[in-house]
Amino acid sequence: DTEVTQTPKHLVMGMTNKKSLKCEQHMGHRAMYWYKQKAKKPPELMFVYSYEKLSINESVPSRFSPECPNSSLLNLHLHALQPEDSALYLCASSLSDTQYFGPGTRLTVL
Amino acid sequence: GIQVEQSPPDLILQEGANSTLRCNFSDSVNNLQWFHQNPWGQLINLFYIPSGTKQNGRLSATTVATERYSLLYISSSQTTDSGVYFCAQPGTSYDKVIFGPGTSLSVIP
Repeated sequence: DTEVTQTPKHLVMGMTNKKSLKCEQHMGHRAMYWYKQKAKKPPELMFVYSYEKLSINESVPSRFSPECPNSSLLNLHLHALQPEDSALYLCASSLSDTQYFGPGTRLTVL
Repeated sequence: GIQVEQSPPDLILQEGANSTLRCNFSDSVNNLQWFHQNPWGQLINLFYIPSGTKQNGRLSATTVATERYSLLYISSSQTTDSGVYFCAQPGTSYDKVIFGPGTSLSVIP
């Protein structure tokens, strides 16, 4: 199994909603990542869990909250988002230095 | 921090043509990865290539770490090669992960 899965594929939410994005891998990778990608831009790293230790991009607002329940699962909890948070959210995992990406969740905030 | 440039920013090819994409780093990098992002947004790992040359079918990549650049060669291009190609330095802390701005490739029949 060489796949990173993400759910949902698409999400539309209001600014007062709370939602979660989910990511799963069964490759035994010990690092998992959340990226945000705006149109025509490269992915921007938000959070990394490496051996379940969190590394945070300090520029990411607190309305995004990551959670790593175990080494195979990664969640991104969303609360009180703004329309400018609309983007493609990508999950990735790695064993050593090679990253493998999931298909992404397209998020629209109304 | 390390700066990454990719050239050209945009490229249009006739199907069957060959092309070379370039990635330049402002400082030495310990590892380098090439990705293809298809029109549906999926980022596909092409090569992990911190140095040397690798080939996979019609694609090959060369990294010259001492001169801080990497090249991605696409031969006999196909319409399915369309998308954006990124070079990146992967890592496990946010201050070490760097993506280039990408090269947008369109292959026309």
